[in-house]
Formats: sequence, structure tokens, C-alpha cells
Amino acid sequence: QVQLQQSGAELVKPGSSVKISCKASGYTFTSYDMHWIKQQPGNGLEWIGWIYPGNGNTKYNQKFNGKATLTADKSSSTAYMQLSSLTSEDSAVYFCAKGYYFDYWGQGVMVTVSS
Amino acid sequence: DVVMTQTPVSLSVSLGGQVSISCRSSQSLVHNNGNTYLSWYLQKPGQSPQLLIYKVSNRFSGISDRFSGSGSGTDFTLKISRVEPDDLGVYYCGQGTQYPYTFGAGTKLELK
Repeated sequence: QVQLQQSGAELVKPGSSVKISCKASGYTFTSYDMHWIKQQPGNGLEWIGWIYPGNGNTKYNQKFNGKATLTADKSSSTAYMQLSSLTSEDSAVYFCAKGYYFDYWGQGVMVTVSS
Repeated sequence: DVVMTQTPVSLSVSLGGQVSISCRSSQSLVHNNGNTYLSWYLQKPGQSPQLLIYKVSNRFSGISDRFSGSGSGTDFTLKISRVEPDDLGVYYCGQGTQYPYTFGAGTKLELK
């Protein structure tokens, strides 16, 4: 069965960076886009971008250009998202989701930016 | 960006009842390839969102036929019949026709 296992919660300082992971199993990792979605407490969903692990191609929401960097490691079937220059506005839960329709989601990673 | 407007913001329903959720987009969601990439998701309390419906009316694998999607262009509807306790949570519509992909603000389904 398809599973997306994300890394654990992060408490990070303003101005720093954080890299969160999403390990995929149960399907061919290199054949489907991996999307990343942000959800702030009490708020809705915001699409960050996707990466196609097969060739490393990426597409970002312009709002996250310079903020998020998506990568993927085919050997471990793991997608990564690095968030840089963190501020309180980046405190949120971040989900990875498989494929064009977001048919499977990871459990989410809570990132808290606080000094 | 395409703005997705969901109504109502919240909905109270009795078990066994039927509800409809509306989702309107600020631009047509018909893609150049002729497909309409409108999906519906349910986020149960404390969980990740789950896909219910894709391309307007296609139920995802394992989704009950109590859930149905309809609509075209800019106007879409999710109907839930014979509501069960496990249906409660926040419903989101989302579009994948135009970048950046966007979601509605959500409709919270609660028990009356």
C-alpha cells in the first residue's frame, strides 16, 4: 500500500533553515510528482510546489520562490523540502502529497519558528 | 491566482441526512487539454487531508458512492448522502488547472 512517511516535528530559530523529508513506499517513486502543501493553524491549504523524482524537474508557487527548495533522492525514495530564512510566518504543518491529484498524503510535519 | 470560494463555511447535518457544498472558481477550470482539474478532499480532525473526488466527478479508490461531485466551468458541487459519523471534518475543493494550484478555505461539516 502507498505510504508517505514524513520526518518529525521541528523547532527552529528565526533566520535559520530546516529540511524535512517524505519517504515514499508502495509505488514507483520516480513515476509520480511529489507535491508539498502548507497548512497554518486554523487556516486552509497552500500549494508550495512539486518535484518529479524521475528527472528532478520542479515547479514552484512563485510565493515560495527563494523560500522552499525541493529535492528528491531516487536511491531512498525520499523527497525533501528545505525552507530557508525562516520567520514566524513559516510556522505551519507541511504535507507531502503524491501525484497530480494529491491521492495520498503524508502525516504532516509541524515546523515551529521561535527564538 | 485562481480564487476558490466555498460555501457554506460550516454545515450542520443529522446522521443519515444529505448535504451539498458549493465551490466556485474565479476563472474557468477547463484546461487546454479539455479536462477540468477540480478535486475534493476531506480533512478529519487531527488527520491529513484525503482525496475524495478528482476531475469533478471521479471517486477515488475506496470512496463510498454516497459522495458525488458535479459541475463545470467555474461552478462545482459536492453532495454527501446518508451522512455517517466518519464523514465529519473539513471539506476542501482544489484546482489543478492553473498554476499556482489553489484550494478553497474549507467547509466544516458538523453534527446537528
